[in-house]
Order: sequence, then C-alpha cells, then structure tokens
Amino acid sequence: GAGVSQSPSNKVTEKGKDVELRCDPISGHTALYWYRQSLGQGLEFLIYFQGNSAPDKSGLPSDRFSAERTGGSVSTLTIQRTQQEDSAVYLCASGREAYNEQFFGPGTRLTVL
Amino acid sequence: GENVEQHPSTLSVQEGDSAVIKCTYSDSASNYFPWYKQELGKRPQLIIDIRSNVGEKKDQRIAVTLNKTAKHFSLHITETQPEDSAVYFCAASMNNYGQNFVFGPGTRLSVLP
Repeated sequence: GAGVSQSPSNKVTEKGKDVELRCDPISGHTALYWYRQSLGQGLEFLIYFQGNSAPDKSGLPSDRFSAERTGGSVSTLTIQRTQQEDSAVYLCASGREAYNEQFFGPGTRLTVL
Repeated sequence: GENVEQHPSTLSVQEGDSAVIKCTYSDSASNYFPWYKQELGKRPQLIIDIRSNVGEKKDQRIAVTLNKTAKHFSLHITETQPEDSAVYFCAASMNNYGQNFVFGPGTRLSVLP
C-alpha cells in the first residue's frame, strides 16, 4: 500500500516568511511524529500525535513552530517567521498504536534564505 | 527524560569484516529499542528491533543484543557489504501510550571494498 507522503519535497523561502509542511500518514496509523534533521546530523524530535490525545509538543524548539493533525490523519507543521537556522530536512513518520515501528516519509527540504 | 548515546560516530570496515555499534540509554523504563538505517539522501528505515523481554535477536547478517542491567544495546553486522554503508540510528522508547522515541546521534558506517 501507499507509504507516508510529504509535500512539498523542497521549499525555499525568505527569512521572516511563514511555511507549512504537510504529512499524509499511512492509512490506519494512529501515531504520527515530526522530526528535524540538519545536514549530517541526527533526528531531532519535534512533536508526537497519538490518536485523539493531546500531542506531545516537548520537542518544538520555539513558539514559532506549531503542528496540527486534522481528523486523526493529515498533519501540518507550521513555522512562522522562518529563520536561517530553520533550514533542514523535516521528516514525518507514522506508526500503529499497538506497534512501535515508525514508517518515515521522504522528507521536506526547507531552505531559508 | 530519556537520553541515548551512540558510539562510534563514524566507523570504517573492510568488506567482509564485522561492524559493531553501541548505544546506551538512561531511562530504565524504556523497553523497546529499534535500529534504523538511513542511506544517503533517503529516509530512515527500520532494520531490526528488540524488546526488553529478549536479550538477543538475529536476522540474517544483523543482530542486536540488549543488556538491561547495564542499559546498553548493540547492533552487530557480520560479513559487511558495500551496500551496508549508511548512517545507523539507535532509539529507545517505552511501549506505552503517548511515549515518544529518543534517537541516538547516529553512526556513519563505511564499508570499504
């Protein structure tokens, strides 16, 4: 079946602009994660959604970052007033509640000029 | 919260030799330990995982060992091949509702032909 998809694949924006990144998880997966990966670095946890519960936002680096998950499916990560240090690949992953394997999307490469 | 350390950060081996990557974690409540492989420019993919009720798990050339007392787990790759070259991430998680993953910083493995 279809895997996790993300859009856009690449996004170039100017400093100070807002951006929205989209994640379509695998159908039926109740867990959804957002990570940030800077060039050559590890996976930095941003936010975690599980079913209808309040999301775990403990990884969001500042109040410029927010995320929503509508209807328990599609998620949008929003970065307001982007800064150059926000440049990275943003990865989304989904998983089943009863299992822990995460299936990653291809990522969105964000470049802030 | 959980803290995961990973060593070495880079590892080069000759084709056919074995490679070992080690991770330590801090939260004794963690009970699920996956390993992800990320090839250059691609998304991370699960290669093997182990739960706390098992000390060792093997899948062809890949094995993972877990020492809960010492709070460390290791990835073993035997008979390495050039296609094993990638960045490997370990992670720790609790298999409970609402718990996120904590990833290690990654190990860049290079298999030299």
